[in-house]
Amino acid sequence: EEQLVESGGGLLQAGGSLRLSCAASGFTLSSYEMNWVRQAPGGGLEWVSYISSSGSSKYYADSVTGRFTISRDNAKNLLYLQIDGLRAEDTAVYYCARATGSSGWFYFDYWGQGILVTVSS
Amino acid sequence: SYDLTQPPSVSVSPGQTASITCSGDKLGQKYASWYQQKSGQSPVVVIYKDNQRPSGIPERFSGSNSGNTATLTISGTQTTDEADYYCQAWDRSTAVFGGGTKLTVL
Repeated sequence: EEQLVESGGGLLQAGGSLRLSCAASGFTLSSYEMNWVRQAPGGGLEWVSYISSSGSSKYYADSVTGRFTISRDNAKNLLYLQIDGLRAEDTAVYYCARATGSSGWFYFDYWGQGILVTVSS
Repeated sequence: SYDLTQPPSVSVSPGQTASITCSGDKLGQKYASWYQQKSGQSPVVVIYKDNQRPSGIPERFSGSNSGNTATLTISGTQTTDEADYYCQAWDRSTAVFGGGTKLTVL
């Protein structure tokens, strides 16, 4: 059974850094593009970042470009999101999501349970 | 940046048909997906590539996309369908979500 489990969240201070991890099981991570999506308390879904299956291509939402870095270790079945310069507006539940499909019509077929990141100012 | 607009809320009576719209510039030239998120849970895809239903999603869920509007239709709505629904599309290698629609079944 395919499963994604996020870790690394918590309560942090503005200006700090953290690295979120997403452990994949039940499928071969190296065969899939992966994404991070976040959801602020009481808010909607916001796509954050994409990484290709090999890690060679990475894309970011304008709101996080320059502060967030997505990476992956296919040998360890792990996806990461490095967040630097934390801001109060980064407070959200962060989901890792697997993408299935092809360019132009990727969709997110598996999601983790989400991990809460709270930034205090 | 590319924007997708959804109505904040839609209400429907059990057994009736619910339609949730998603509007964006020339959205019909892109592919739309729809996600259902029940309270306290992770999102689940219910429609992808405009009108394709993943395995395990009931046949009462259907989708269409033309012009500037994609539509999620739920026929014979059940109380278990009460949730937030989000449309999503890709624009220039970035994914965009609509603001979400709260579907109330009463």
